[in-house]
Amino acid sequence: GAVVSQHPSWVICKSGTSVKIECRSLDFQATTMFWYRQFPKQSLMLMATSNEGSKATYEQGVEKDKFLINHASLTLSTLTVTSAHPEDSSFYICSAQRSGSRHQPQHFGDGTRLSIL
Amino acid sequence: AQKVTQAQTEISVVEKEDVTLDCVYETRDTTYYLFWYKQPPSGELVFLIRRNSFDEQNEISGRYSWNFQKSTSSFNFTITASQVVDSAVYFCALSEANTGGFKTIFGAGTRLFVKA
Repeated sequence: GAVVSQHPSWVICKSGTSVKIECRSLDFQATTMFWYRQFPKQSLMLMATSNEGSKATYEQGVEKDKFLINHASLTLSTLTVTSAHPEDSSFYICSAQRSGSRHQPQHFGDGTRLSIL
Repeated sequence: AQKVTQAQTEISVVEKEDVTLDCVYETRDTTYYLFWYKQPPSGELVFLIRRNSFDEQNEISGRYSWNFQKSTSSFNFTITASQVVDSAVYFCALSEANTGGFKTIFGAGTRLFVKA
């Protein structure tokens, strides 16, 4: 149980395009999902907390207009990297927390490797 | 403010050696949660353990063991008789209870190489 599916797992696109990444909790409801960014050989940096039915909470330094987050249902959150540029190339990982289970381990997706040419 | 420090950037051991990964944390909360995750080369994050601040009992799971010492704010992870499959990056993480309970901060990670 507690499976989180992240799609796509790998994407290459041209500079200036927008890329949407999906994060789905397959067998549980997730009021809260998280989006992380990980550069090579670095740690996971929390970008934003995605709350179902409300606006996401962004960490300091993360551009809200650049990284659009939508959490329209209890099982799906999407991250859209708008007008992507080479510096946005990174490994993006989502995680989901089962509703009503604060401080339980987050369940992570397998990540999306984004390469902007 | 919460902070997690994993001072060991990389560790290299030979198979069957024991290895300890250090984790030191900072928090002002009395209620908090500590985690260890494994990230193999394929990239996915694998949950290993969760410990709350009121439970200082050490835990053993197979070849893995964890030593939680509140007095030194440490939550160290030991792999006994390491195997090549243990090669990965290991992250220690901290979640505070009073920040809404949802934000988890990760340490920088320790990259473990286990040679055959």
